[in-house]
Amino acid sequence: GQNIDQPTEMTATEGAIVQINCTYQTSGFNGLFWYQQHAGEAPTFLSYNVLDGLEEKGRFSSFLSRSKGYSYLLLKELQMKDSASYLCAVRAENYGQNFVFGPGTRLSVLP
Amino acid sequence: DAGVIQSPRHEVTEMGQEVTLRCKPISGHDYLFWYRQTMMRGLELLIYFNNNVPIDDSGMPEDRFSAKMPNASFSTLKIQPSEPRDSAVYFCASTLDLLRDRVHEQFFGPGTRLTVL
Repeated sequence: GQNIDQPTEMTATEGAIVQINCTYQTSGFNGLFWYQQHAGEAPTFLSYNVLDGLEEKGRFSSFLSRSKGYSYLLLKELQMKDSASYLCAVRAENYGQNFVFGPGTRLSVLP
Repeated sequence: DAGVIQSPRHEVTEMGQEVTLRCKPISGHDYLFWYRQTMMRGLELLIYFNNNVPIDDSGMPEDRFSAKMPNASFSTLKIQPSEPRDSAVYFCASTLDLLRDRVHEQFFGPGTRLTVL
């Protein structure tokens, strides 16, 4: 995606905590989304941030700082089934209010 | 609701052939999006519709690609003629009215895996 960066790959251990970062450059910001995509499957929605701060949803939390153009997805108590790609997507005026997806971070959870 | 439905799930064709991908959005959703996903380029928006009208087709790679939405429950993405570089997974997604739904989460279909030989 345009001006959206994520680490390509990450590895973590079952039961641990992992933080996946996303940085973006945009104007007219109107929301940041995190999606999970298992291999061979469609992306599924995880979280949405439009205001600064932390949104918690079970084992997953997402943080946003609009002034820094920065977000992270925090996964706690990792399980093997969390092995997937995590896509950050931004909606903004300079994207025509479309969703622009980042390249995704492939997370491998090891036993 | 069954979610977003796409067909076929897999398509293998030869270069030069016409390919038609189909999508049925979630009933009541006002917006429909077509995406293409490859290892090299990630998930790219091709075109999206609002109330059956194409709004932004700037992501459509070439004139070989065309999309239609004849009614609220059906859309097609056509590639004619197809080329090997068109091989990718094509996703359709839908969402509610972007003004009415605060979160405006997109719901994705299962995708069509296209291989052009």
